[in-house]
Amino acid sequence: DAGVIQSPRHEVTEMGQEVTLRCKPISGHDYLFWYRQTMMRGLELLIYFNNNVPIDDSGMPEDRFSAKMPNASFSTLKIQPSEPRDSAVYFCASSFREHQPQHFGDGTRLSIL
Amino acid sequence: AQKITQTQPGMFVQEKEAVTLDCTYDTSDQSYGLFWYKQPSSGEMIFLIYQGSYDEQNATEGRYSLNFQKARKSANLVISASQLGDSAMYFCAILYNQGGKLIFGQGTELSVKP
Repeated sequence: DAGVIQSPRHEVTEMGQEVTLRCKPISGHDYLFWYRQTMMRGLELLIYFNNNVPIDDSGMPEDRFSAKMPNASFSTLKIQPSEPRDSAVYFCASSFREHQPQHFGDGTRLSIL
Repeated sequence: AQKITQTQPGMFVQEKEAVTLDCTYDTSDQSYGLFWYKQPSSGEMIFLIYQGSYDEQNATEGRYSLNFQKARKSANLVISASQLGDSAMYFCAILYNQGGKLIFGQGTELSVKP
């Protein structure tokens, strides 16, 4: 079975550039989550969707971050403009139901120079 | 507010021995879920085990078991017969009753010695 697929695995870009991270959840999963992991703050939930609808975006750090889920098999997390402090590992996860285990993708390691 | 505490930043265990990783939580909800994830040095997050707050029996998954003590608000992970491949970061997490929001602890780094 295919797991959660994220792309790219690594991204290095210069400050001010737009960054787009992509995620394909596990087929049939109703919930999709975006997390950010840093040494200082650990794992933080940024936003999550249920049936393609954003439910809680209180973790999105600021207006430079936006996330969309145009259909059940695809989501994007966009940062525009990017800043060095956005450097982190970004994970996408999905779950079948609300209180079911969340299955994570391999993450995108983002470096903003 | 939900809170998860993992008090052991790092642990060492001899290969083939058992090890317990501590996790305590704080919540006012009656219904919640507790999860453990493993993060090897390669970076992926691997789901290990789940315990629901109303589950009467401790969860087990192969060599992993969860020592759930509801009154003490603790959900310790027990790994039996440690293997070198168990060396990784381990995260405890609690799921809000309302919605799918997972709150993670800071993690425990486990090193298995040959």
